[in-house]
Amino acid sequence: AQSVTQLGSHVSVSEGALVLLRCNYSSSVPPYLFWYVQYPNQGLQLLLKYTSAATLVKGINGFEAEFKKSETSFHLTKPSAHMSDAAEYFCAVSEGDKIIFGKGTRLHILP
Amino acid sequence: EAGVTQFPSHSVIEKGQTVTLRCDPISGHDNLYWYRRVMGKEIKFLLHFVKESKQDESGMPNNRFLAERTGGTYSTLKVQPAELEDSGVYFCASSQEAWRDLAKNIQYFGAGTRLSVL
Repeated sequence: AQSVTQLGSHVSVSEGALVLLRCNYSSSVPPYLFWYVQYPNQGLQLLLKYTSAATLVKGINGFEAEFKKSETSFHLTKPSAHMSDAAEYFCAVSEGDKIIFGKGTRLHILP
Repeated sequence: EAGVTQFPSHSVIEKGQTVTLRCDPISGHDNLYWYRRVMGKEIKFLLHFVKESKQDESGMPNNRFLAERTGGTYSTLKVQPAELEDSGVYFCASSQEAWRDLAKNIQYFGAGTRLSVL
């Protein structure tokens, strides 16, 4: 079975600073990978997905993620954090008809 | 276009009672999924409908949980009788493309139902 590990249940960055949320996956075959975000009182929203095309994937709201097979990683980055980025972020991998999620990382933006 | 909607947003019940959660998928989406997040844990898959048929129910925790999707439109998830460990957030998702077409299969999630069993 596949699994996803997100390093850090809480991450704090200053407004304007780089956002880096780490994700490692375990998969014996090239996976489909996702980042979802949940803003307060809202549903899970797809930020971006990797489906074996370009290794650098651009998503919404200025986020991007790079698929690194050698490191089995799919870290999420944003060059400059904004207060509106405060939310919980989930890394996930597809397995058949289901999505396997990591435990989530709550991103705090410091003024 | 309306997204995936779930009712109620929050439910508080006592142990032993019955609760029914409802999910309305995006119109035209044949695939409907239920997930659950127990506090402090990952969001975990419960089951998958294709139209009115259960495609995969491998994640259902036990026989106290019953999911239905009559007519292939909205779905309900009933917990009877509820136990303390059933507390958590229940998410519903839907997708349009065939689940086997993984490159195109984007699951759209609702806001979830927070279930508290006291």
